[in-house]
Amino acid sequence: NAGVTQTPKFQVLKTGQSMTLQCAQDMNHEYMSWYRQDPGMGLRLIHYSVGAGITDQGEVPNGYNVSRSTTEDFPLRLLSAAPSQTSVYFCASSYGYRVMSYGYTFGSGTRLTVV
Amino acid sequence: AQSVAQPEDQVNVAEGNPLTVKCTYSVSGNPYLFWYVQYPNRGLQFLLKYITGDNLVKGSYGFEAEFNKSQTSFHLKKPSALVSDSALYFCAVRQGGATNKLIFGTGTLLAVQP
Repeated sequence: NAGVTQTPKFQVLKTGQSMTLQCAQDMNHEYMSWYRQDPGMGLRLIHYSVGAGITDQGEVPNGYNVSRSTTEDFPLRLLSAAPSQTSVYFCASSYGYRVMSYGYTFGSGTRLTVV
Repeated sequence: AQSVAQPEDQVNVAEGNPLTVKCTYSVSGNPYLFWYVQYPNRGLQFLLKYITGDNLVKGSYGFEAEFNKSQTSFHLKKPSALVSDSALYFCAVRQGGATNKLIFGTGTLLAVQP
């Protein structure tokens, strides 16, 4: 099925642990991004990429790293988990980075709890 | 800086009644505006967009949105609400420049009572 696949769906981490949230899309989308969703704050952009080898910071990048070695994959790394990173994380992709015509396709999310 | 505001945390409406979910925006230049819906424990789904053209935009599931440039608004509407429309709705605006970055509002929870 074409779309954006996120793994895992749920994760519990201890403070200080590291982990990688996986995101893969099979639509040949150039643009990929990571958002976190917190109650009352909507979605906030963490990092984004306009193509393989190109990444940039969003609104709330601290504590997170990304890389884009292929068009399909855009993993998000938590370097040293903190309770403030407890959130629901969404990966989103879209076709074309210059013309916003198709909207985003979102993954189903990863619910992360840091204890 | 581009921004979008959803002034209502929650909207309650009876099934069969018309519904409106409000959104106002602030952008430089022509706005690209979007509505997304999120059902419980799911990702966001695209509903509709305004890029250019007619001010009334029709989207999925019978929803439509009216673009009003003078009031900088992009309210989501539906003539007759269904209980199954109950969900979290997000308005978004494309940030300017050569990227696809979207700025999202804080979301409005729509509750449709039977």
